[in-house]
Amino acid sequence: EPEVTQTPSHQVTQMGQEVILRCVPISNHLYFYWYRQILGQKVEFLVSFYNNEISEKSEIFDDQFSVERPDGSNFTLKIRSTKLEDSAMYFCASSTGTGDYNEQFFGPGTRLTVL
Amino acid sequence: GQNIDQPTEMTATEGAIVQINCTYQTSGFNGLFWYQQHAGEAPTFLSYNVLDGLEEKGRFSSFLSRSKGYSYLLLKELQMKDSASYLCAVTDSNYQLIWGAGTKLIIKP
Repeated sequence: EPEVTQTPSHQVTQMGQEVILRCVPISNHLYFYWYRQILGQKVEFLVSFYNNEISEKSEIFDDQFSVERPDGSNFTLKIRSTKLEDSAMYFCASSTGTGDYNEQFFGPGTRLTVL
Repeated sequence: GQNIDQPTEMTATEGAIVQINCTYQTSGFNGLFWYQQHAGEAPTFLSYNVLDGLEEKGRFSSFLSRSKGYSYLLLKELQMKDSASYLCAVTDSNYQLIWGAGTKLIIKP
């Protein structure tokens, strides 16, 4: 069964460093998403991406965040200068489209720890 | 603002039935999802409702009333493996998923 994959599973970084989180969405999916979940808190939408551009982004997704689809399979989230409060689980998801039925399939997540 | 409310925690007994409620106030509505999330893992899809009524899927059922901004997830014949958080999420007018904080369900033998 096709699945969304994410690497790395864990990332530890120093405050102020740049990190890139990688995702490989399901191959025939067209819409890609990043979410974060701070430990013990709810899932928060960051950004959605379609046709090589951002379609929606939340207030959390400020100038320190960027997304890219560098090739036909990968979808990345870059955090330019990490802060302590960026420590969270980051989930990538993909779906076939929007519309009435839009099941998003989630990857296993990357746990980011900023020291 | 956008708001999704669900109880923080519920406890039930193995073999019993439990109903987890969700109320929502969002800018637009394009469907409501229920996801299950085990600790440290990704959310996994359980159900989707866009029309009023009950959707049944094995031991799990989900109900929606759009006029009341209300949904519930019904879990029957509870098993220990059902211990998890259950997340209610609504797709708003921009097709953005707005998430509730989740209901932690504890199953006791």
